[in-house]
Amino acid sequence: ETGVTQTPRHLVMGMTNKKSLKCEQHLGHNAMYWYKQSAKKPLELMFVYSLEERVENNSVPSRFSPECPNSSHLFLHLHTLQPEDSALYLCASSQSLQGAFNQPQHFGDGTRLSIL
Amino acid sequence: AQKITQTQPGMFVQEKEAVTLDCTYDTSDQSYGLFWYKQPSSGEMIFLIYQGSYDEQNATEGRYSLNFQKARKSANLVISASQLGDSAMYFCAMREGILTGGGNKLTFGTGTQLKVEL
Repeated sequence: ETGVTQTPRHLVMGMTNKKSLKCEQHLGHNAMYWYKQSAKKPLELMFVYSLEERVENNSVPSRFSPECPNSSHLFLHLHTLQPEDSALYLCASSQSLQGAFNQPQHFGDGTRLSIL
Repeated sequence: AQKITQTQPGMFVQEKEAVTLDCTYDTSDQSYGLFWYKQPSSGEMIFLIYQGSYDEQNATEGRYSLNFQKARKSANLVISASQLGDSAMYFCAMREGILTGGGNKLTFGTGTQLKVEL
């Protein structure tokens, strides 16, 4: 399934660089999410957007800056990251934030980020 | 306290055999949903199966079934007739209801790495 597309797949950057992760969903969904997946830890929800409005920011450091210009696109802007930020960053979408319990979130392939 | 507990970091199963992956959860909500996802080495999280807290029957989707025991707060995934392509990480996740503020937020466990052998 290619309903959620993330680019780039891999990213290596220095701590002083600025880069952006991109997510695009082709499912007509209204909610989008950023997750961080570190080794041997549960997925951590970072940000939640509903109809382009940020509805959740789970105590994420300001060096991560999300942007949702429309309901199909979600960005994660990165600057002055730390080595512990190296992880797999996953984007997901769902029909809505409310509604039926059984609506799953659909995930992209993720961006594997390495901080030098 | 962890809301989703997966106690098996790794599991091995022979091809064509059935395997059960354990998941226990903790919530004070009466309304909640439980999901299982598969993550191959490529990274994508693939939705497999869903069980609602009020569903009277165990969910089934092809070779996947859920052994839902509400009183014990467990939602184990059963994969029948294992195939080599089933080798992956498997995550249990929960969506809680009104008491936790609602919204389509998922809480994930730490996952189980399944290896299917010939």
